[in-house]
Amino acid sequence: EPEVTQTPSHQVTQMGQEVILRCVPISNHLYFYWYRQILGQKVEFLVSFYNNEISEKSEIFDDQFSVERPDGSNFTLKIRSTKLEDSAMYFCASSVLQGTDTQYFGPGTRLTVL
Amino acid sequence: DQQVKQNSPSLSVQEGRISILNCDYTNSMFDYFLWYKKYPAEGPTFLISISSIKDKNEDGRFTVFLNKSAKHLSLHIVPSQPGDSAVYFCAASGNTGNQFYFGTGTSLTVIP
Repeated sequence: EPEVTQTPSHQVTQMGQEVILRCVPISNHLYFYWYRQILGQKVEFLVSFYNNEISEKSEIFDDQFSVERPDGSNFTLKIRSTKLEDSAMYFCASSVLQGTDTQYFGPGTRLTVL
Repeated sequence: DQQVKQNSPSLSVQEGRISILNCDYTNSMFDYFLWYKKYPAEGPTFLISISSIKDKNEDGRFTVFLNKSAKHLSLHIVPSQPGDSAVYFCAASGNTGNQFYFGTGTSLTVIP
């Protein structure tokens, strides 16, 4: 069964450093998403992406964040200058359609900012 | 701003009995609801969904009920099995956007 994959599974970085989290969505899906979950808190939407453009983003997704689909398979989340409060699980998701279509999640990347 | 709430952080149920997980939402524009199940160190896995035109959707042992007037939905698992032990997230979406709003999750433990 097709699945969303994410690398790395765990990333440790120093505050102020840049990190890139990678995702490979399900191949026939057209919509891509990033969510994060701070330990003990709810899963929060960051951004959705379609046709090489951001289609929706939350307040959390400020100028330090960016997303890119550099080739036909990868979908990346870049955090330019990490802060301690960026420590969280980051989940990538994809869906065939937008709106109410079911989103399929990857296993997540645990980001630890020291 | 918690638009989707799961007020019970944990629930323990005996194997074979019914598990009932509850979820409340505040945004009347939400028209599509899902339940996700999450095991430790894994991403959320889609379980079952319901749109606002229905009040019940059933899939095997899992049934989701939607009460639009109360802005409440619930997930029933019958009979509960030890493998159902996981964190269950309720999520909601409106027809104007792509994002899902998640609740904080309920950790279900099914005792053998």
